[in-house]
Amino acid sequence: EVQLVQSGAEVKKPGESLKISCKGSGYSFTSYWIGWVRQMPGKGLEWMGIIYPDDSDTRYSPSFQGQVTISADKSISTAYLQWSSLKASDTAIYYCARHSTVTTPSAHWGQGTLVTVSS
Amino acid sequence: EIVLTQSPGTLSLSPGERATLSCRASQSVSSNYLAWYQQKPGQAPRLLIYGASSRATGIPDRFSGSGSGTDFTLTITGLEPEDFAVYYCQQYGSSRGTFGQGTKVEIK
Repeated sequence: EVQLVQSGAEVKKPGESLKISCKGSGYSFTSYWIGWVRQMPGKGLEWMGIIYPDDSDTRYSPSFQGQVTISADKSISTAYLQWSSLKASDTAIYYCARHSTVTTPSAHWGQGTLVTVSS
Repeated sequence: EIVLTQSPGTLSLSPGERATLSCRASQSVSSNYLAWYQQKPGQAPRLLIYGASSRATGIPDRFSGSGSGTDFTLTITGLEPEDFAVYYCQQYGSSRGTFGQGTKVEIK
């Protein structure tokens, strides 16, 4: 069974750094892309970026380029989303999702990670 | 970047009625790489339709997608109680996907 298990909820202060994770199992992790999607409180879905864990080929939405870093460690089948300096506006649920190619939709999603940034 | 505009923002319908949701793209979506997702409160999105008109695995046939180019439609024929949710379209034809802002289907 394909599973994407994300790390738990985080509460951080503005200016702090954070790295959340998404661990894939039940499939060949290096053969699929992992994408990240943001959902701010009460709002819609926003596509952030995508990575191919085998060679770390990464594409970002222009809206998120330079704001976050997407990475992966194929040795432990885990993808990451990180911030170097959080803002209150980063408060959201972040989902990871599996893609067969960079131009396929996502049939498998993680459960989401709630990130709260508040002073 | 392709911008997707969904309409209406909210659709108020009764169980058994037909729902018609629209998604319009700011430029042509290549190869009809257009998907529809359903999201319920507290849950991750669920893929319903891909390639504009193909149902994903396990999706009931009351859900259907149509359209091409810049205009796409999701139709739910005979709303069931579990269909009241928010629906998003997504284009994935470029290497940088984008979502529409969503349509909420609520019980009238």
